[in-house]
Amino acid sequence: GESVGLHLPTLSVQEGDNSIINCAYSNSASDYFIWYKQESGKGPQFIIDIRSNMDKRQGQRVTVLLNKTVKHLSLQIAATQPGDSAVYFCAENNFGNEKLTFGTGTRLTIIP
Amino acid sequence: NAGVTQTPKFQVLKTGQSMTLQCAQDMNHEYMSWYRQDPGMGLRLIHYSVGAGITDQGEVPNGYNVSRSTTEDFPLRLLSAAPSQTSVYFCASSYFTGTGLSDTIYFGEGSWLTVV
Repeated sequence: GESVGLHLPTLSVQEGDNSIINCAYSNSASDYFIWYKQESGKGPQFIIDIRSNMDKRQGQRVTVLLNKTVKHLSLQIAATQPGDSAVYFCAENNFGNEKLTFGTGTRLTIIP
Repeated sequence: NAGVTQTPKFQVLKTGQSMTLQCAQDMNHEYMSWYRQDPGMGLRLIHYSVGAGITDQGEVPNGYNVSRSTTEDFPLRLLSAAPSQTSVYFCASSYFTGTGLSDTIYFGEGSWLTVV
């Protein structure tokens, strides 16, 4: 029979507003986390990362927050622009482990 | 720099056919890996390699073979294609620091494979 693909969680944000994308991870041994951005038809691009000895890290217009107690990661994008429309993935790893585990992804749409 | 190059970008296969997805990187990275991406799901690791002559299985290795005869190349072989292997495939590479895998993994542009 015909298979039906799962739908990505979606988030629509007005241009200029801030957006928050959330991610839950499962492995308490993970000590390194990365956010990737994937535009349509392209490979994932590194945005920002954070190690487990930190709970916040800031980049250009992006901030990653890590809550190890509840195993939760978030990506905040400030003053969103049309070019921010993409699918965003979180990924987790631990030192010495070559297997990077990706989350499901969230589709962010910026409304002009 | 070319970075990570994947070929072909698009391919249609018939069930049972075999084919090889090529991946090459020009950054002298020790680490290379293959992921597949299905609708509504994150990237899942198929196979990976930490250096020439060394490969290991990832999360979803069944139906795929890899080899790493050189540092630059990491081909992914589908032995007998099945419709369940219809997906987008990404090759990635990185390098090791003193504390493990580097912060940044470089991805190719993807290969869209359809098995009918």
